[in-house]
Amino acid sequence: SQELEQSPQSLIVQEGKNLTINCTSSKTLYGLYWYKQKYGEGLIFLMMLQKGGEEKSHEKITAKLDEKKQQSSLHITASQPSHAGIYLCGAPGGSQGNLIFGKGTKLSVKP
Amino acid sequence: KAGVTQTPRYLIKTRGQQVTLSCSPISGHRSVSWYQQTPGQGLQFLFEYFSETQRNKGNFPGRFSGRQFSNSRSEMNVSTLELGDSALYLCASSLGGTGSYGYTFGSGTRLTVV
Repeated sequence: SQELEQSPQSLIVQEGKNLTINCTSSKTLYGLYWYKQKYGEGLIFLMMLQKGGEEKSHEKITAKLDEKKQQSSLHITASQPSHAGIYLCGAPGGSQGNLIFGKGTKLSVKP
Repeated sequence: KAGVTQTPRYLIKTRGQQVTLSCSPISGHRSVSWYQQTPGQGLQFLFEYFSETQRNKGNFPGRFSGRQFSNSRSEMNVSTLELGDSALYLCASSLGGTGSYGYTFGSGTRLTVV
C-alpha cells in the first residue's frame, strides 16, 4: 500500500526565516493535499495539487508537486508565530480508496 | 457557508461503555469519512459513508461502527470502550469522496477513556 513520509518530523525556526517541509510518496501521487493542524484541533485545508510540476501559493505559503508526482514540498517564506502548528500531507491511496496521511511535521516559530 | 460540525468536542467515558459521535457535513456534501488520530499512529482511516451507504472501511475492529442519515449527517459508535480508544476522532466532508474533490475536516471530538 502507499505510504507518505514527511521530513523533518519537527522544526524550530526563528521568526522571519524561511523553511521547507517535504512529503515523499512510495507511489505516484494522484492528488496531494496539505493541511495544517493546531494541537488537538481539526485539519485546516491549505492547498491541493494534482498535476506534475504544479505550484500553488497562498499568502506566504507555496506548495509544489514534482514532475514525477512522487514528492511535494511546502515552503513558508518569512515565518511568523501564526505559522506554528503541525503540517500534514495527505493523498488518495489507501487500500479502500481513502485518504492516507504522513505523520506530520511539527513547526515551532520563535519570536 | 457552514463548515463541518462535530459534536461533542470533548468526551470522557469509562472502559466498557459505549459512545456515539456526530458529524454534520457541509451542505450538499454526500461523503463523510471518519479518522482516528493518536500520537503514535497518526491519522488512521475508519470508514467512509456516501449517500447513506458505507463505501469503504479501514482496519478497525467491529466495535467501531457508523451510519449516515438521509440528510448526510453521520454518526460513529464505539462499543465496549478500551483505554486504547482514547484519541481525537475527526470527520471529513467531501462532495464526492473519491480523492478528486477536496476534503474539509471538522474540529474533532476528543475522546478520553478512563
